Amino acid sequence: AQRVTQPEKLLSVFKGAPVELKCNYSYSGSPELFWYVQYSRQRLQLLLRHISRESIKGFTADLNKGETSFHLKKPFAQEEDSAMYYCALWSNDYKLSFGAGTTVTVRA
Amino acid sequence: SAVISQKPSRDICQRGTSLTIQCQVDSQVTMMFWYRQQPGQSLTLIATANQGSEATYESGFVIDKFPISRPNLTFSTLTVSNMSPEDSSIYLCSVDTGSGANVLTFGAGSRLTVL
Repeated sequence: AQRVTQPEKLLSVFKGAPVELKCNYSYSGSPELFWYVQYSRQRLQLLLRHISRESIKGFTADLNKGETSFHLKKPFAQEEDSAMYYCALWSNDYKLSFGAGTTVTVRA
Repeated sequence: SAVISQKPSRDICQRGTSLTIQCQVDSQVTMMFWYRQQPGQSLTLIATANQGSEATYESGFVIDKFPISRPNLTFSTLTVSNMSPEDSSIYLCSVDTGSGANVLTFGAGSRLTVL
């Protein structure tokens, strides 16, 4: 069975500082990993996918199969990045499993 | 991407009653998913609902407690039966965007409080 672990429940950084959200997974197949974000009073939405290897809103995430990690990074955090972030894994049986989530607060 | 409308957005229910949550999508979708988010916790998949077949439930969730209907490609309902305070949660409907990217679009959620 798949498992997604986000060890940090809360993360607080100053504006302009780097931010890194950790995500580790366990899955026997070939993983497809995502980061979803939920801003205050908004719906849960996709932030980025590992397959697309793109930067969204300054965030990047690299899949490291050796370390089974998919950490989310941004070099300079902005106040509008304050949100709840979920790491998620899509498995071959067509299910999306979520980590516990990390609440990010960016302080001025 | 698909737009999802969920009703009710919130409700306060009495113990022992049942409540049906509706999920309407503005386009036809094959796969619909129902998730539960208990207070302070992550999203847990309840079941996958495909049109024309029985819903597939995850471990820990049973049809008698969470019956699901999927009458067509744009609509689904989830009923929370014989509710207890432990059922107080946000229930979310989601759909595969159909782009082949395995990306889900989520509804706004239905926040249920059981007294």
